[in-house]
Amino acid sequence: TQLLEQSPQFLSIQEGENLTVYCNSSSVFSSLQWYRQEPGEGPVLLVTVVTGGEVKKLKRLTFQFGDARKDSSLHITAAQPGDTGLYLCAGAGVGSYGKLTFGQGTILTVHP
Amino acid sequence: DAGITQSPRYKITETGRQVTLMCHQTWSHSYMFWYRQDLGHGLRLIYYSAAADITDKGEVPDGYVVSRSKTENFPLTLESATRSQTSVYFCASSVALDRSDTQYFGPGTRLTVL
Repeated sequence: TQLLEQSPQFLSIQEGENLTVYCNSSSVFSSLQWYRQEPGEGPVLLVTVVTGGEVKKLKRLTFQFGDARKDSSLHITAAQPGDTGLYLCAGAGVGSYGKLTFGQGTILTVHP
Repeated sequence: DAGITQSPRYKITETGRQVTLMCHQTWSHSYMFWYRQDLGHGLRLIYYSAAADITDKGEVPDGYVVSRSKTENFPLTLESATRSQTSVYFCASSVALDRSDTQYFGPGTRLTVL
């Protein structure tokens, strides 16, 4: 069973601060996805990274896939209250195609 | 343009009862998935289906049964509910099962087993 350790589990910051969420594993993944989930709703895909070392930017969000494809990070610059939510990383194992293993999630609260 | 819907949104049942959670998608996606979400565990795959009449187990299939007679529907049945099955259940669908495919999630069903 492939495991994804996500940290921190909880993050409470002030508007304007920067933050990084980490997703780590001892296993290699063929791709890594990041989702955002709001209360009472299902997760929504933010980004997919598939190449080791890949960096993708989505406005103030920067996603990185580790060179060895075992880890990933999500960095938010100048966080805003609208960024509040649950962030989930999910990996597709090598050979498991699109079947996803999810991390435990990071609950982010951005205070005005 | 309904996308993917789940019903009921909330369900309270008792230990030992049979419960069926419904999932319906309007995109004609081939793949459908059932996950459960519990605090500290993220989402865990229960079952998935590649097409009508093709289903396979995920990480935590025990105590659950699925069927898929039509492409658009993927019901999940708890044959004899237990308290450990109290959770939020999410259905998802995707076009294919490729490493870069997007899974589209429904709004979830919050199930409480007393």
